[in-house]
Amino acid sequence: DQQVKQNSPSLSVQEGRISILNCDYTNSMFDYFLWYKKYPAEGPTFLISISSIKDKNEDGRFTVFLNKSAKHLSLHIVPSQPGDSAVYFCAALYSSASKIIFGSGTRLSIRP
Amino acid sequence: GAGVSQSPRYKVAKRGQDVALRCDPISGHVSLFWYQQALGQGPEFLTYFQNEAQLDKSGLPSDRFFAERPEGSVSTLKIQRTQQEDSAVYLCASSLTGRPLASESYNEQFFGPGTRLTVL
Repeated sequence: DQQVKQNSPSLSVQEGRISILNCDYTNSMFDYFLWYKKYPAEGPTFLISISSIKDKNEDGRFTVFLNKSAKHLSLHIVPSQPGDSAVYFCAALYSSASKIIFGSGTRLSIRP
Repeated sequence: GAGVSQSPRYKVAKRGQDVALRCDPISGHVSLFWYQQALGQGPEFLTYFQNEAQLDKSGLPSDRFFAERPEGSVSTLKIQRTQQEDSAVYLCASSLTGRPLASESYNEQFFGPGTRLTVL
C-alpha cells in the first residue's frame, strides 16, 4: 500500500507557464512533506519542504501547498524554465523517524 | 565541499554472486541512509545509521542484505547470492543529524548518484 501517491507519471508544460505537480498521501501522522528533483544519472536533490502545521511554503519560483483535510499537496513552479525538466518526487516523513517515504515520481517536461 | 559519493557507479553481477556497494557520506554527517530504487519507482528506504549504530533496518528485503558503517563514516551495503529482483539503483544519503533541528525544519538528506546494479 502506497502511503505517498503521484498519480501523474508525466506532465508537459510550455516554457514560461505554470507547472503544477500533485501528490496525495494516506497517513495523517506525517510531520513533513518534501519535494525532491532528479536528473538522469544523478541522485535526487532537495527542492522544498513544508511542515504539517503550515499550508504554504514559498521559495523563489517554487511554492508548495498543503491541504491536510484532503491529504493533498502540490508543487507550483512559475514561470517554468527548460532546466526544470526532471523527475519530481513527492515525499513525506515523521519527525520521530528519519526515513523518507517517496512517491513514484512525475516526469516534468518543459517544451519551448 | 564534496557531496555524497558512491562506488561503483555500475555493477553487473551474475545471479548468485555477492556484491558490495560503497558509500562515502559528506564529512561530518552523522546520519546515513540506504534506499533502493526500482525502475519507474521512487526510492524505498532500506536502512539507517546514526554514526556506527544501525538504528533501523526495517526496509532490508531479506537476510541476504547486510549493511555496515563500522567507523561511523563510510558505509557498505552487501548483497549475498544476488537475485534478478535485486536489480535496481541503490542510493545512499547522508544528513547532518537524523532528526529535525527545530519543529518546523527539515534536516536535508543529501543523496549520492547511486549504484546501478544489474543481476543477470
